[in-house]
Amino acid sequence: QQQVKQSPQSLIVQKGGISIINCAYENTAFDYFPWYQQFPGKGPALLIAIRPDVSEKKEGRFTISFNKSAKQFSLHIMDSQPGDSATYFCAASGGDTDKLIFGTGTRLQVFP
Amino acid sequence: KAGVTQTPRYLIKTRGQQVTLSCSPISGHRSVSWYQQTPGQGLQFLFEYFSETQRNKGNFPGRFSGRQFSNSRSEMNVSTLELGDSALYLCASSSLAGGRTDTQYFGPGTRLTVL
Repeated sequence: QQQVKQSPQSLIVQKGGISIINCAYENTAFDYFPWYQQFPGKGPALLIAIRPDVSEKKEGRFTISFNKSAKQFSLHIMDSQPGDSATYFCAASGGDTDKLIFGTGTRLQVFP
Repeated sequence: KAGVTQTPRYLIKTRGQQVTLSCSPISGHRSVSWYQQTPGQGLQFLFEYFSETQRNKGNFPGRFSGRQFSNSRSEMNVSTLELGDSALYLCASSSLAGGRTDTQYFGPGTRLTVL
């Protein structure tokens, strides 16, 4: 019940295309859903986060869509750029703990 | 503000040895969490400290321990190292808002290799 399932494992997108990464969770007590971006040799960096009181949050080219009833949330990267090539992790926390439960990661490659 | 710093960045040890990793949080942050990242298991939570007290603990053996000092700096220790302990160890700092951990900011990690 503590798992966060992330898909796909890897994603190849053409420059200018839309990248979509999906996550699903079981624990209905989760109330904080961040996305992290990690480049090789670096720690994860917070990209965008959402709480269940909204169904969508947009920051620049990055959008989180949240479906509370389906217990799913996704990251959309519009106009994907080669500089977006990185590994993306979804995460969740809430209930009786603040520890982040991470998805398994998606390696995104954007080709020019 | 300076980010989260972790030392050392790279470490090579042999089986059976012990190791201590250090983390300095962002100034003003009093919560420090530690995570282990491996290709096979992904990012897994080790423990969280707040005001020198362990607040949360993950499912790791007792060989993994940590502590936090009064200046919020934290150390984690791994004793009797095993090959499977080879990983990137990440530290994240945050403040508390309404009793809940706020956004966690990660350091660059310490790459531990156990031979």
